[in-house]
Amino acid sequence: DTGVSQDPRHKITKRGQNVTFRCDPISEHNRLYWYRQTLGQGPEFLTYFQNEAQLEKSRLLSDRFSAERPKGSFSTLEIQRTEQGDSAMYLCASRDRYNEQFFGPGTRLTVL
Amino acid sequence: SQQGEEDPQALSIQEGENATMNCSYKTSINNLQWYRQNSGRGLVHLILIRSNEREKHSGRLRVTLDTSKKSSSLLITASRAADTASYFCATAYIIQGAQKLVFGQGTRLTINP
Repeated sequence: DTGVSQDPRHKITKRGQNVTFRCDPISEHNRLYWYRQTLGQGPEFLTYFQNEAQLEKSRLLSDRFSAERPKGSFSTLEIQRTEQGDSAMYLCASRDRYNEQFFGPGTRLTVL
Repeated sequence: SQQGEEDPQALSIQEGENATMNCSYKTSINNLQWYRQNSGRGLVHLILIRSNEREKHSGRLRVTLDTSKKSSSLLITASRAADTASYFCATAYIIQGAQKLVFGQGTRLTINP
């Protein structure tokens, strides 16, 4: 399967714990995006990488959130000191040169 | 807000009928994209229409774009039960060289057999 993959698919954690998600984009795509989606809403942009450079961060991305893409390939999104309001689906997408974004299956986070 | 607004929020039709969903936005865009999402799953890219295009087809899908009215529509013809999903429009803006997608709240489409 050469699509975007995300791991884990589901994560249940207790409030205050740290969590880390991984995204593997389509190999030839150098642009990578993270989004958050809550129930009944469309995805909201969190951050964007071109190769290893993080070029933009949404105001939704508080200081507890950090994202990396160390070698311009896979990316990680870490949430520190999780809160119940962080419960959501976290989606990763990579973009081809035709501007189409291809999404992964998402990581569903539940904070108890 | 730059968010697209979709109409209707929910649509229920009989199998074989056509389904039309609309999307409106507020500022100039680079392109507009439509996505489908099955319950609890990731988004599947359906079609991209550029700001200088007016209509695009892909199989049973037809997308129109009216930049003067800042609106787009997605038509699914001869609907099937498998088309049941949420459909999102996403408006694309180029900001500092980066493409940013802003999604609407989606239309929940139910196809009744």
